Formats: sequence, structure tokens, C-alpha cells
Amino acid sequence: NAGVTQTPKFRVLKTGQSMTLLCAQDMNHEYMYWYRQDPGMGLRLIHYSVGEGTTAKGEVPDGYNVSRLKKQNFLLGLESAAPSQTSVYFCASRGSANTEAFFGQGTRLTVV
Amino acid sequence: DQQVKQNSPSLSVQEGRISILNCDYTNSMFDYFLWYKKYPAEGPTFLISISSIKDKNEDGRFTVFLNKSAKHLSLHIVPSQPGDSAVYFCAAYNTDKLIFGTGTRLQVFP
Repeated sequence: NAGVTQTPKFRVLKTGQSMTLLCAQDMNHEYMYWYRQDPGMGLRLIHYSVGEGTTAKGEVPDGYNVSRLKKQNFLLGLESAAPSQTSVYFCASRGSANTEAFFGQGTRLTVV
Repeated sequence: DQQVKQNSPSLSVQEGRISILNCDYTNSMFDYFLWYKKYPAEGPTFLISISSIKDKNEDGRFTVFLNKSAKHLSLHIVPSQPGDSAVYFCAAYNTDKLIFGTGTRLQVFP
């Protein structure tokens, strides 16, 4: 049982570079979320999706784009990375309303 | 604007005693609340939840209390064990969004 899998686990980027973080879930969940975790800030919602082909902005969407072309995958893109985007990124998914969300193991991104 | 607040960044409790973690929220539209536990270098894992139509939910050593009039929830862990040492996040659903607090680091010492 893989659950929620994030790729890659670690990455170092130079300022201005682009990259895509992949989140894959095998639970047939409708809802998927991207968060970033920073010291003292908790988990902040970047973007989320309520189903295949849909995306919506969260609390801190600037500088990020997302796509949900397939139900099982939710991609987070950084078009031009900035040092302020150094963080640990978590993906999560859930099935129906008012149920728990399941998290991936995280991606540690450093932008230098 | 922080909609879910955990005002205590850390808490230290002796093994065997009760741990009480607190959470306040500002949005009266939240209708479902959850607590997550997080160890270093791992993703958060679900602990316990409560619907806004209830005021208490219990699961083994963990009990969550909800006071809607005060917009406050708390997590009680009894008895506390060293393995409970982790960061605890409260979270709430606002329609489709899942919003988290800033977390409280719990340390349980012998």
C-alpha cells in the first residue's frame, strides 16, 4: 500500500530555475492538497484540487502553479524559483467530505 | 490572517501525566476538526477528529473537546508516553479547504 507518494524527496535549485514536484495517490481520492511547512508557520495551503481537471488557490498560492490532469496525480510547479520558496512541501489526499487527509513523506526543497 | 491558532509553541509533560494541547479558530464556518501528529522527517499522520455537531470524541488515550461558542478545541492525552513526543497540529475544514494551525511541540519526559 503506497498511499501518497511524493517525488523527489530532496532537491536543490538555483534561483530562477524551474521544477515540478509530483504527488501520486493510489486511493482513488477526489481531493488533493499541496502545503508548505516553514518554522513557526505550521502547514500553509498552497493549492488544492477537488477532482480531476480542477484546481483552486489556497492561502499562499503566489509563485506556484498546479495541474490535475489525472485523478491520481497532482503536480506542483515552480516556474522561477526564489530563496523564499525554500521549504518542506507536503502533499495530501482525501476521499469524501469530512474525512481525514493522508499525507506524503514530504519534499525538502532548497533554493540557493 | 491565521484562521486556526495554536498559541503554545511547546509543551513539556512528565510521563504518565495528562497533556493538554489547545487550539483556537476564528472562522465559524469550520464544520470538522482534526488533530495530526508529526515526527521529524515524516509526513503528518491523522490522530483524531470531531464534527461540529459534537462536543467530545474519544479514542483510547486521546480525547478531543470542542467548545463552539468559544471557538476552541483541545486534545487531551492521558496518560502521556515518551512516544507521544512530536509536533501536534490542529486543522479544520472550511468547505473543501483543509487549514492547519502552527503546531505545538510536545515533549514527554520520564
